[in-house]
Amino acid sequence: EAGVVQSPRYKIIEKKQPVAFWCNPISGHNTLYWYLQNLGQGPELLIRYENEEAVDDSQLPKDRFSAERLKGVDSTLKIQPAELGDSAVYLCASTFPRAPQTQYFGPGTRLLVL
Amino acid sequence: AQTVTQSQPEMSVQEAETVTLSCTYDTSESDYYLFWYKQPPSRQMILVIRQEAYKQQNATENRFSVNFQKAAKSFSLKISDSQLGDAAMYFCAYRRPTYNQGGKLIFGQGTELSVKP
Repeated sequence: EAGVVQSPRYKIIEKKQPVAFWCNPISGHNTLYWYLQNLGQGPELLIRYENEEAVDDSQLPKDRFSAERLKGVDSTLKIQPAELGDSAVYLCASTFPRAPQTQYFGPGTRLLVL
Repeated sequence: AQTVTQSQPEMSVQEAETVTLSCTYDTSESDYYLFWYKQPPSRQMILVIRQEAYKQQNATENRFSVNFQKAAKSFSLKISDSQLGDAAMYFCAYRRPTYNQGGKLIFGQGTELSVKP
């Protein structure tokens, strides 16, 4: 069974540029999460989707961050414009409806904003 | 709000020895889940072990076991017969049950474990 897929793995951009991250969850997993992990810290939730509906986006900085999961499968997280403080690892995770307790994580996208 | 605290930023263990990583949490709820995740340098977060709060028996997965003290709100991870591949950042995490707006994981700050050959 394929795991959670994320791309790109690494991204370097200049500040004020836009950037997008893509996540494809494990097949059959209807819940999808985006987490932000700053260096030396634990991940923090940005947004959670149940199918195509964003059910928890309270921690998403909506002035510059946006996300979508149009068909309830893969998802895109966008930052526009990026700031120096956005340099971090962006993790995607998913859960199976019959076992929602356990989240499976992707390898993450490491973003560096110069 | 729930919080998770890992008071050991770094730990070191000799290969084949046993090490215990500490975690405390704060919650007013009686039903929840606790997890230990491992994050090697490759960044892939891997589930090590899970504990349901309603279960009194401590969870065990091969060389990994937990000491769950619900009243003390303590959840430590014991790694027996440590191997070089166990070297990683370990995160303790809390999750509310699904029926009670559960979903997101609340992570501690992490403990960097090094294994000496």
